[in-house]
Amino acid sequence: EDQVTQSPEALRLQEGESSSLNCSYTVSGLRGLFWYRQDPGKGPEFLFTLYSAGEEKEKERLKATLTKKESFLHITAPKPEDSATYLCAVRDLYNFNKFYFGSGTKLNVKP
Amino acid sequence: EAQVTQNPRYLITVTGKKLTVTCSQNMNHEYMSWYRQDPGLGLRQIYYSMNVEVTDKGDVPEGYKVSRKEKRNFPLILESPSPNQTSLYFCASSSSGDRVPYEQYFGPGTRLTVT
Repeated sequence: EDQVTQSPEALRLQEGESSSLNCSYTVSGLRGLFWYRQDPGKGPEFLFTLYSAGEEKEKERLKATLTKKESFLHITAPKPEDSATYLCAVRDLYNFNKFYFGSGTKLNVKP
Repeated sequence: EAQVTQNPRYLITVTGKKLTVTCSQNMNHEYMSWYRQDPGLGLRQIYYSMNVEVTDKGDVPEGYKVSRKEKRNFPLILESPSPNQTSLYFCASSSSGDRVPYEQYFGPGTRLTVT
């Protein structure tokens, strides 16, 4: 069964302390890996799409990378406004209308 | 403003009383989908629709129905709600190329409690 696992479940950082979030997946074939940000009481907000191993995308303090079995969301010098839950989702190559989400990493950045 | 809207945002109901949660998007997207979000389980796909009159089951379709009569609307129907359907529900839409959906845009969520 297709599965997406995110780690850690929660992460507390000091402002300026860089770190990485992990998303590992087991799908029969990958046709897109997506990162979203979710603030409390709101719907997920799209951040990045990655399609192939070696691909990288950047946006402000966030950089997403992809290997054959996992993706990382690197947060460089985070600020308190980066506090949110970060979700990873994959779309299967052979069932590309379905999306499988991980349970997320809750990031808390302290000033 | 491009958006996905859901109504109601909050709903408390009793077991067995039929309800409908509406979803509408103004981006002319072909693909729409419903998810439920539960603590520790993440977002799970209930149903999706590739276009008008085309719908299919996601991972957790039991107890739910959907219809897609118009491109912009994708209502979620619970004909006989049960307490295990208490959850936070999200509607999402996306554009697609060659019938493959791209990144999704989510509504604000509907918090449903079934007593």
